[in-house]
This record gives sequence, structure tokens and C-alpha cells, in this order.
Amino acid sequence: GQQLNQSPQSMFIQEGEDVSMNCTSSSIFNTWLWYKQDPGEGPVLLIALYKAGELTSNGRLTAQFGITRKDSFLNISASIPSDVGIYFCAGHLTGANSKLTFGKGITLSVRP
Amino acid sequence: DGGITQSPKYLFRKEGQNVTLSCEQNLNHDAMYWYRQDPGQGLRLIYYSQIVNDFQKGDIAEGYSVSREKKESFPLTVTSAQKNPTAFYLCASRTAGSSYEQYFGPGTRLTVT
Repeated sequence: GQQLNQSPQSMFIQEGEDVSMNCTSSSIFNTWLWYKQDPGEGPVLLIALYKAGELTSNGRLTAQFGITRKDSFLNISASIPSDVGIYFCAGHLTGANSKLTFGKGITLSVRP
Repeated sequence: DGGITQSPKYLFRKEGQNVTLSCEQNLNHDAMYWYRQDPGQGLRLIYYSQIVNDFQKGDIAEGYSVSREKKESFPLTVTSAQKNPTAFYLCASRTAGSSYEQYFGPGTRLTVT
């Protein structure tokens, strides 16, 4: 089936640094979603994007819907220890009914 | 508070037994979903339901069954036919319309020995 590509699998940054992660596909998506999952918990929706080129912020998080509609980016600024977790991208394909396609996630570690 | 509840948080079963995982939502959402998560893997869709009394298979439905008798509830049964049932199970829901945002419950970790 369709896949969203997220790499690398893990990222290690210093507290206070900014970090960017992207999500790519060979297919065109009409919606991009970014989730964060803490260990042993369910994913929490961070940002939803619905238009190509759209740039949306949620506190220190900023995400963009790529112009080609085949990618999306998430940026976290001034990282803090509680940013640790797994960040998933998800997208909705036109015609995919109500199903989402998920990336495998990037595990973010923040060193104090 | 509106939300999605899954119970129990941890579940242990012996091999060969069927087990049912609970998912309830009071968000008045129309669609509900079950996902399985394994270490280092993304979320894989097991079953989903867009309206009461209707549901569709996802990518890995074999060995699982569901029902949707009420809008608020979407229980998942892991049957003895599921060859590798130990995993973290997540339930999600979504309102109708053009928003595809899914909201997740806290998950149930099932261990089968």
C-alpha cells in the first residue's frame, strides 16, 4: 500500500536547538497531519494542513504543506525536554475513503 | 470531558483465548478506527467503521473482528486465529465531513503468552 517516508528513524538534539523533520511520498495528498506520541500513550494531533503551501503554527511548532502536495515539514523551535517522543506524519489520499496513511515516525531525543 | 477511552490499559491472555478490547468515545464522532502498533512500525489499520452497523476491513484484518452497534462504541476482538497478537492497540475516531483529523485513545497493550 501507500507509504509515507520519514527519516531518519531517530534524531538527537541539544535542548534549545531547532529541529526539522519531513515526510515525503510519491503520491499527492490532500491533507497532512502531524502527531506526537509519548511512550505508552496514544498519538496526539499537533497540526493539520489542508492547502498546498499552507504554513501553520502551534506554539513552538510550525508545519508546512508542500507545494507539490507530496511532502510536508514539521519544525520545532527552541526544543525542551518534553519534546521527546515519536513524531508521526499522516496523510489523506483523495479517494481513500476516510483512511489515513501513516509514516513510521521519528523518535526525537533531547539532551539537557 | 470529551474523549476516547480504551480499557484496560494492560491486558494479558493465554494463547488460544479470544480477547475483546474496549473503545468508547463521547465526542459524537461518526467514524471509528482500530490500529495496531509494533515497535519501530507505523500504525497499521485493522478495521474501521464510518457509521453504526457498518464496518470495513483495513490492511491487517485477519484474526480480528469488530462490531459497531452503538455510535459511541467500537470493540475489537482479537481471536485465537491472530498469529502474533501481542502489540499495542490504538482506537481513534473522526467526525464526519471533509476533516480527516483522527483523535486517538490512550491505547491498550495486549500481551499473549
